[in-house]
Amino acid sequence: GDSVTQMEGPVTLSEEAFLTINCTYTATGYPSLFWYVQYPGEGLQLLLKATKADDKGSNKGFEATYRKETTSFHLEKGSVQVSDSAVYFCALRGTGSARQLTFGSGTQLTVLP
Amino acid sequence: EAGVTQFPSHSVIEKGQTVTLRCDPISGHDNLYWYRRVMGKEIKFLLHFVKESKQDESGMPNNRFLAERTGGTYSTLKVQPAELEDSGVYFCASSQGTERNTEAFFGQGTRLTVV
Repeated sequence: GDSVTQMEGPVTLSEEAFLTINCTYTATGYPSLFWYVQYPGEGLQLLLKATKADDKGSNKGFEATYRKETTSFHLEKGSVQVSDSAVYFCALRGTGSARQLTFGSGTQLTVLP
Repeated sequence: EAGVTQFPSHSVIEKGQTVTLRCDPISGHDNLYWYRRVMGKEIKFLLHFVKESKQDESGMPNNRFLAERTGGTYSTLKVQPAELEDSGVYFCASSQGTERNTEAFFGQGTRLTVV
């Protein structure tokens, strides 16, 4: 079945540091890929998505590129801010009859001033 | 437009008791999903409603969990009797369609603690 493997956390960075959170997946066909974010005290919010190979999703300075050859969707940001502190979840929605999202385990990011 | 709302935000109950979680999806969203995150692990799918019908309940852990969506509007998830391993954060999500690029909108979650 479908699965998502996400970089283990927690991750602690200083403000303005470069961020990478690794995400790889296993799925049949061409799934859609998503990054969700959960800020403290809030629900899950869609951060960005990509629906086909080589697509780049971007939002709020974050980027991720759908790499079919390496089955990866790594999240990057060039300069993190304290307000980026949150839990980040990589997810996919497959092409089969199932329509639910399959999530990774989440990565807690803390950005220090 | 109101988002997905969940009640309560937190619940602490004793083992053996019953708890009912509620989810109000975004108006007009036929698709409603329940997910659970246990012990900081991955968020796992529980079940999927299309309107009032259960489309897929393959993720329900056992028969102590009962989900309903009467009238195709709000949904409830009842745990009876609750066990310690049921503790976690229960998320509800809704979407208009089920195409693979459709965004699912999530609620804030209900943090359930069974003691």
